[in-house]
Amino acid sequence: ELKVEQNPLFLSMQEGKNYTIYCNYSTTSDRLYWYRQDPGKSLESLFVLLSNGAVKQEGRLMASLDTKARLSTLHITAAVHDLSATYFCASDTRGSNTGKLIFGQGTTLQVKP
Amino acid sequence: DVKVTQSSRYLVKRTGEKVFLECVQDMDHENMFWYRQDPGLGLRLIYFSYDVKMKEKGDIPEGYSVSREKKERFSLILESASTNQTSMYLCASRFQGAGTQYFGPGTRLLVL
Repeated sequence: ELKVEQNPLFLSMQEGKNYTIYCNYSTTSDRLYWYRQDPGKSLESLFVLLSNGAVKQEGRLMASLDTKARLSTLHITAAVHDLSATYFCASDTRGSNTGKLIFGQGTTLQVKP
Repeated sequence: DVKVTQSSRYLVKRTGEKVFLECVQDMDHENMFWYRQDPGLGLRLIYFSYDVKMKEKGDIPEGYSVSREKKERFSLILESASTNQTSMYLCASRFQGAGTQYFGPGTRLLVL
C-alpha cells in the first residue's frame, strides 16, 4: 500500500526553539512536496524536492530529501508564532500521469510566545 | 501566478438538494482534483481528472460525481446532499504528472 506518514502529528513548541518534522513515504516515486495550511484556509505550496539530497530553504524552514531512506524532513529554525500552521508532505505516484499525490496526515505546529 | 478559483467560499444547502461546486484554473493544467477535508481526517481524494472528459474515482467517491467538459473547469456534483457531506472542499490542479499541485481557496459547505 502506498503510504506517506508524518511524525509528529502535533507539535507545540516555544518561540526560538528548533524542531524537525519527519515524513516517511513508501511510494516508489522520489518526488516530495511540502505544503502549509493556515487555520480555515487552503493549502499553499512550500517546497518541491525532486532528487536525492535535495535541500530547499525559505526563511526559517528548510526541507530535505533522502531517497535511500525514503525520508523527507522539514526543519524549523528559531520558531516564531507566524509559523503556527498545519504542514503536509506529499509524494508522487511513480509511473502515473494522473498527477495524483499521496498526502501525509499533516503536522499541526503551534508556536507559543 | 497560477490561479485556481472556486465558485463559492461558503455554501448552505438543504438535505436532498443537488449541489454544484465549480473549480477553474488558468494555467492549462491537465490534471485536476477534488478533495474534502474534515477535522482529524486529513485530505481525502474524492475524484480526479487527468484530462478533458477523463475522470477517475479517488478514495471516497460515494455520493459524488464530477464533470470535466473543458480543460480549465472541473465540477463536483453532490446529487442529493446529505448532512455527512458537510465539509471543506478543496480543488487542485497540476501539470500532467509533474510539479506541485496548486490549490483553490476552498468551499465550506454546510448541509442542513
